[in-house]
Amino acid sequence: SQQGEEDPQALSIQEGENATMNCSYKTSINNLQWYRQNSGRGLVHLILIRSNEREKHSGRLRVTLDTSKKSSSLLITASRAADTASYFCATAIFTGTASKLTFGTGTRLQVTL
Amino acid sequence: DTEVTQTPKHLVMGMTNKKSLKCEQHMGHRAMYWYKQKAKKPPELMFVYSYEKLSINESVPSRFSPECPNSSLLNLHLHALQPEDSALYLCASSQALSTGFRTEAFFGQGTRLTVV
Repeated sequence: SQQGEEDPQALSIQEGENATMNCSYKTSINNLQWYRQNSGRGLVHLILIRSNEREKHSGRLRVTLDTSKKSSSLLITASRAADTASYFCATAIFTGTASKLTFGTGTRLQVTL
Repeated sequence: DTEVTQTPKHLVMGMTNKKSLKCEQHMGHRAMYWYKQKAKKPPELMFVYSYEKLSINESVPSRFSPECPNSSLLNLHLHALQPEDSALYLCASSQALSTGFRTEAFFGQGTRLTVV
């Protein structure tokens, strides 16, 4: 079952513009992660934000987390054609010694020259 | 080495066949995952192993049988599959919780399975 809903489902921007994707989830979480997937192959981890954090930065990525609203956003600044991919948020809920990682519906980002 | 290796990359099998998907990692991770992904959909969690023991089974049909023979290997045994089981099967690994809280997952490139 899916924990997160993302919007928009698809986003098309020009190179150099910023891209913002939003994620909403349903239950309390331990952390929230963002992943990128190219062409339906493996996913690549981008950034992790813990439930007690509100904002994190990594290079051109900025992620925010609002646990009161159960929502997160991912901002990619100065986008490049190579950023074209699907982006997924994933909520992590700790159970025993395992982390249950559940993915949202995803945003397909298209960056054109 | 931050790689998760899945074999085979592609698999076509009949509904009466038995096959296995394999996954290997050498990052010292003690949590390993199987996900199923249909086209244009997010990955859906199937199983989680922690310290070589099955921790989470997301009510997956018994025609999918996971196995974790050691801390580096994860298998998914397939038997009597249906055409609707055709999908990309992704393996991932991460630290287990008792070794820290860096729970980001490293994914393999997946096995694209077609059931005919």
